[in-house]
Amino acid sequence: DVKVTQSSRYLVKRTGEKVFLECVQDMDHENMFWYRQDPGLGLRLIYFSYDVKMKEKGDIPEGYSVSREKKERFSLILESASTNQTSMYLCASSLSPSGYEQYFGPGTRLTVT
Amino acid sequence: GENVEQHPSTLSVQEGDSAVIKCTYSDSASNYFPWYKQELGKGPQLIIDIRSNVGEKKDQRIAVTLNKTAKHFSLHITETQPEDSAVYFCAASTGTASKLTFGTGTRLQVTL
Repeated sequence: DVKVTQSSRYLVKRTGEKVFLECVQDMDHENMFWYRQDPGLGLRLIYFSYDVKMKEKGDIPEGYSVSREKKERFSLILESASTNQTSMYLCASSLSPSGYEQYFGPGTRLTVT
Repeated sequence: GENVEQHPSTLSVQEGDSAVIKCTYSDSASNYFPWYKQELGKGPQLIIDIRSNVGEKKDQRIAVTLNKTAKHFSLHITETQPEDSAVYFCAASTGTASKLTFGTGTRLQVTL
């Protein structure tokens, strides 16, 4: 079974803090993704990576950056957390090039106060 | 870029009835249309998908139909059961690095 794990289920941070969300997959997948999920807005893509050290902006990259130093690990970084970044963050991975199915982690609920 | 609209946002059905969720997409280059189910406290999980060269696909109680001309696709769940209660997301992709654009989700409630 594919397993995607996220470092925390719940996280509370203060405005202005630097926040790291970690994601690890154990299936040697090429592609990894970070989404945020908000009520009524569905899943919106923040960044994705199709190889180590490669990254591309998704639909809402502002205020976020990412890092992929190893194939199995994809980190989302909030350089200076703000209250409007309070959300559920979901990581996913998929096998490239023909593997469209994305496997999701359980999510991290981040609250910025 | 691609835009995917999903309706309804909430759906309540009685156990044993059918449920239908509809999505429309904007990019005619999209060629892959998956449906994900998200149970409480979990990440979304793929339940069925369809590619643009197929009009309909069925897997036990769930089926998906695709109308490329109208750019819409639908999820059909028959004989609903309480365990079908979840949030369902449709998505569309043109195939670029498996990048998906998701709809806004439908909360399905199956009542006894």
